[in-house]
Amino acid sequence: QSVLTQPPSASGTPGQRVTISCSGSSSTIGSNYVYWYQQVPGTAPKLLIYRNNQRPSGVPDRFSGSQSGTSASLAISGLRSEDEADYYCAAWDDAVSVEVFGGGTKLTVL
Amino acid sequence: QVQLQESGPGLVKPSQTLSLTCTVSGGSISSRVCYWSWIRQPPGKGLEWIGFIYYSGSTYYSLSLKGRVTISLDTSKNQFSLNLNSVTAADTAVYFCARMGMVRGVGDAFDIWGQGTMVTVSS
Repeated sequence: QSVLTQPPSASGTPGQRVTISCSGSSSTIGSNYVYWYQQVPGTAPKLLIYRNNQRPSGVPDRFSGSQSGTSASLAISGLRSEDEADYYCAAWDDAVSVEVFGGGTKLTVL
Repeated sequence: QVQLQESGPGLVKPSQTLSLTCTVSGGSISSRVCYWSWIRQPPGKGLEWIGFIYYSGSTYYSLSLKGRVTISLDTSKNQFSLNLNSVTAADTAVYFCARMGMVRGVGDAFDIWGQGTMVTVSS
C-alpha cells in the first residue's frame, strides 16, 4: 500500500479534461513539493510537473498541477490519444526521510 | 546533456547479491547540486524508490530495503552502483537509475532517467 494514494484508473475522450488526484499526509504533500511523472508502458518515466505546478521545458501547457493541504492533482486538458499512459505522483516524507510514490493511475483515452 | 545508462546481470539467483551500475555521461557525478538515485518497478506494478547518494557519500535508503541495500559512488569512472543482497523473487523488477536535482539544498525532481534494466531473481 502506497503512502500517496492515487485512483488506479482514469479515462476520458479526446478533447476532454481529466484530473488525477494524489492524497498524502502532513509529512508528505502537506510539507513538501509534489512531482508528477508520466510513463508510457515499456519506457522510463518522464518528469511532467515539478514543485507542485511547474512544467519542464517541452511539456505542453495542457498539463497542469495543483496542491492544497495534503492533496494534489494533475489536470490534463484537451486530452489526446498520446496522453494514454501511467501517471505517478511523488513527494518526500519528512517523517521517515524517504521519497514516496503514489501507486500510479492508468489513463485510458477512449 | 546528461545521460544515464544502467548495466549489470539480468539474472540473479535467490539469496545472492544483485549488483548494478549506472554510468553518467555529459555531466559529473561529483556535482553538488543533485542526488544519484535508484528506483525499481516490479512487473505490472508501480514505482518504488530504493535510495540515493550525494557526491559526499551521504546516503538515504528506503526503509523496506534498509539493511540489504548499498549505494556507492565511483568518481574515477563517473558511475554509481547499487548492491542489494539476499535477494528473493520479490526483488524481480526493472531497475532505473535517475538524477534527482536539488533546490535550496534539498532534493527536487527526478529529472533524468536511465532506460532501465530488467533483473530477474530465479534459480
